[in-house]
Amino acid sequence: KQEVTQIPAALSVPEGENLVLNCSFTDSAIYNLQWFRQDPGKGLTSLLLIQSSQREQTSGRLNASLDKSSGRSTLYIAASQPGDSATYLCAVRPVDNQGGKLIFGQGTELSVKP
Amino acid sequence: DAGITQSPRHKVTETGTPVTLRCHQTENHRYMYWYRQDPGHGLRLIHYSYGVKDTDKGEVSDGYSVSRSKTEDFLLTLESATSSQTSVYFCAAQGGHSYEQYFGPGTRLTVT
Repeated sequence: KQEVTQIPAALSVPEGENLVLNCSFTDSAIYNLQWFRQDPGKGLTSLLLIQSSQREQTSGRLNASLDKSSGRSTLYIAASQPGDSATYLCAVRPVDNQGGKLIFGQGTELSVKP
Repeated sequence: DAGITQSPRHKVTETGTPVTLRCHQTENHRYMYWYRQDPGHGLRLIHYSYGVKDTDKGEVSDGYSVSRSKTEDFLLTLESATSSQTSVYFCAAQGGHSYEQYFGPGTRLTVT
């Protein structure tokens, strides 16, 4: 059974720092991995999607990498800002499931202090 | 964001009453999903749909039913609400060839 883990559960950094969020999964048989952002009381916003054949994706200050064989993904945030404060979730789409459901990690709650 | 809206956004209901949550999308996506989000459990799939009148169960489907009579609408029904169904419910749709999922704003349901 696929399991997704995100460590740490919470992270606090000063503004301007570069940071890395981690995501690990137990089964490397995935179609893709998706990173989301969730603000308190809000829905999920898709940040980056990495297909299983890709190694990384970039969007602005965000860079996500995927090492499928080791079951790991990282989300790199450059020059963090207070507006980056949110919960970051990663999710994988397993190969062996009908309908394309996602398996989510529990998230990392990020706080960027001014 | 696939133009996904959910209604109602907040609802308080009593144990034993039926409740229907609505998800509407404007991008003609084939796949739609209902998840619930709970502290300590994260997001879990309740039901999903792969086309009009085509639905299947997720990992936490007991006590829930769904219907999809039109591409744009996906309804989630709690036949007889229980306190364990107090949660935040998210609808999602899967678009394009990349299989990226887009989420709605959520419905906060409280069962008293």
